[in-house]
Amino acid sequence: QQQVKQSPQSLIVQKGGIPIINCAYENTAFDYFPWYQQFPGKGPALLIAIRPDVSEKKEGRFTISFNKSAKQFSLHIMDSQPGDSATYFCAASDSWGKLQFGAGTQVVVTP
Amino acid sequence: DVKVTQSSRYLVKRTGEKVFLECVQDMDHENMFWYRQDPGLGLRLIYFSYDVKMKEKGDIPEGYSVSREKKERFSLILESASTNQTSMYLCASSSPPGQGAFNTGELFFGEGSRLTVL
Repeated sequence: QQQVKQSPQSLIVQKGGIPIINCAYENTAFDYFPWYQQFPGKGPALLIAIRPDVSEKKEGRFTISFNKSAKQFSLHIMDSQPGDSATYFCAASDSWGKLQFGAGTQVVVTP
Repeated sequence: DVKVTQSSRYLVKRTGEKVFLECVQDMDHENMFWYRQDPGLGLRLIYFSYDVKMKEKGDIPEGYSVSREKKERFSLILESASTNQTSMYLCASSSPPGQGAFNTGELFFGEGSRLTVL
């Protein structure tokens, strides 16, 4: 049973659009919420991460929104580009650092 | 440049064969992990190790074993491969979270080993 539920499974947006990926969790012991980006043929790589003491974090065109009371967090890709086409995984961990991953979202940005 | 290297990118094995997947990291990380990636299921943890000769079961350890004889090397073993073990296998390493001001235990992944069991 997956401890982190991720949706949608896939989405297609045009260049400049804002793909949004949502994740939800139940375990209140989770205190670290990273997003990993995976390009075809490569392993996942850390993209951006947030801790529950903040509600939003931005790094370049990527923004995490975090709602602690709802136990939900989401990734927004601003001004998306074809080079952002990849699979995105949300994840969560407790203080021991063992990550639980979501099922992944395949994002396609068309030119 | 930090690196996690998986020895085989593609393997084809027969049911019942013993399979070894090797992983080496050059970052002097204490923690090493083996994940399995399947469409719609994300990344599921098979085993992890936080020190040489130490291992802990992850979420799906059945049918797998691991070996860590040296800090930089972590091996995944399928004693008797089955068709339901056809998958992408990803190795990762990390330092324990909390070491250093901003260390959050970031995982560094290898490029994966795609195993097909016939």
